[in-house]
Amino acid sequence: NAGVTQTPKFRVLKTGQSMTLLCAQDMNHEYMYWYRQDPGMGLRLIHYSVGEGTTAKGEVPDGYNVSRLKKQNFLLGLESAAPSQTSVYFCASSLRLAGLTDTQYFGPGTRLTVL
Amino acid sequence: AQKVTQAQTEISVVEKEDVTLDCVYETRDTTYYLFWYKQPPSGELVFLIRRNSFDEQNEISGRYSWNFQKSTSSFNFTITASQVVDSAVYFCALKSVIQGAQKLVFGQGTRLTINP
Repeated sequence: NAGVTQTPKFRVLKTGQSMTLLCAQDMNHEYMYWYRQDPGMGLRLIHYSVGEGTTAKGEVPDGYNVSRLKKQNFLLGLESAAPSQTSVYFCASSLRLAGLTDTQYFGPGTRLTVL
Repeated sequence: AQKVTQAQTEISVVEKEDVTLDCVYETRDTTYYLFWYKQPPSGELVFLIRRNSFDEQNEISGRYSWNFQKSTSSFNFTITASQVVDSAVYFCALKSVIQGAQKLVFGQGTRLTINP
């Protein structure tokens, strides 16, 4: 199993450009998440999905859109990139288990720089 | 509100010393889970431990141990006889139900440097 993979690993954009980050998991997990990590702020949830075809906003959703057309993939889109979106982006996935018992497993991250 | 505080931004110790990373959390929920993740210099996030709110037993795994105390809302992590490979950023996280959905709230992280 590859676990959670993210494409690309690095990307540099100019302000106003658009791009899509791809997250894929081969663990048959129902839940998937996108986080951003900024210095001194830990990880913050951008959007998440509790199943194929469903998405929901997290803590910092503005400027991002997501789609979950297939269970194994979760896409994060930036329609018009801004320097404030320079960050490291992590995708995670977890099983749907009773209560809160699921553990989130993370991908390796994508380092995005917006000039 | 759900909140996790890791007051220690950076810690630096010499190899073989013991070191404790503090984690204090806030939640009104009676059922919740606490996690520790390790982020080595390579950047990935590695799951270390999960603890539910009903289990206050301390956990030991090799050189790692965790002390969960509900009375002080703390979930501290101790590394015994630290090694250079333990150098990483460590995150404490709290999972509970927020607005009907399960969410993981992270602390700011503690950067641990083990010097040879």
